[in-house]
Amino acid sequence: AQSVTQLDSQVPVFEEAPVELRCNYSSSVSVYLFWYVQYPNQGLQLLLKYLSGSTLVKGINGFEAEFNKSQTSFHLRKPSVHISDTAEYFCAVSEFSGTYKYIFGTGTRLKVLA
Amino acid sequence: DGGITQSPKYLFRKEGQNVTLSCEQNLNHDAMYWYRQDPGQGLRLIYYSQIVNDFQKGDIAEGYSVSREKKESFPLTVTSAQKNPTAFYLCASSIGLLTTYEQYFGPGTRLTVT
Repeated sequence: AQSVTQLDSQVPVFEEAPVELRCNYSSSVSVYLFWYVQYPNQGLQLLLKYLSGSTLVKGINGFEAEFNKSQTSFHLRKPSVHISDTAEYFCAVSEFSGTYKYIFGTGTRLKVLA
Repeated sequence: DGGITQSPKYLFRKEGQNVTLSCEQNLNHDAMYWYRQDPGQGLRLIYYSQIVNDFQKGDIAEGYSVSREKKESFPLTVTSAQKNPTAFYLCASSIGLLTTYEQYFGPGTRLTVT
């Protein structure tokens, strides 16, 4: 069965420090991977996605993620965070194995401290 | 500007009443989705629709109903049969029902049932 795990529910980090938000998945078929960001009381917007090709994917707002097939991970990173990066981040995994599957993780709340 | 609109932003209802949440998109997308978001549980799929007059149950469809009479519109009715209706509801759309496509989200409707 497909699942997405975001182990860290909250990540506090000081401004200008690097951050990594972890995402692991399980699936028996090929998957596509996404990171979305949600600012308070808003909908989600796409940060980046991995469909195929280079395993290092660059997204908006200076974020990047690396697909690691052997570790079934797709961790999100940013070398230097800003106060404005405070938001909730969702990893999502999609696959097609007879039925449509697009599953979101439980989210990681990033809080950037001054 | 193209996008997804959800109205109202906040909705209050008494227990036992049905309530309909609006979702409209002008992105010319074929696929539309409804998600429910609860703290610590991420997004859970309620219903999705690939084309007009067709829709499929998601993971938590019990107590909800939808219609798709127009490409642009995908209203969600929360019925009195839904045991815990208080939640944040998000509508989304994508170009089609392929798992490589990103989803575009509306701003959400926060429903409170007392």
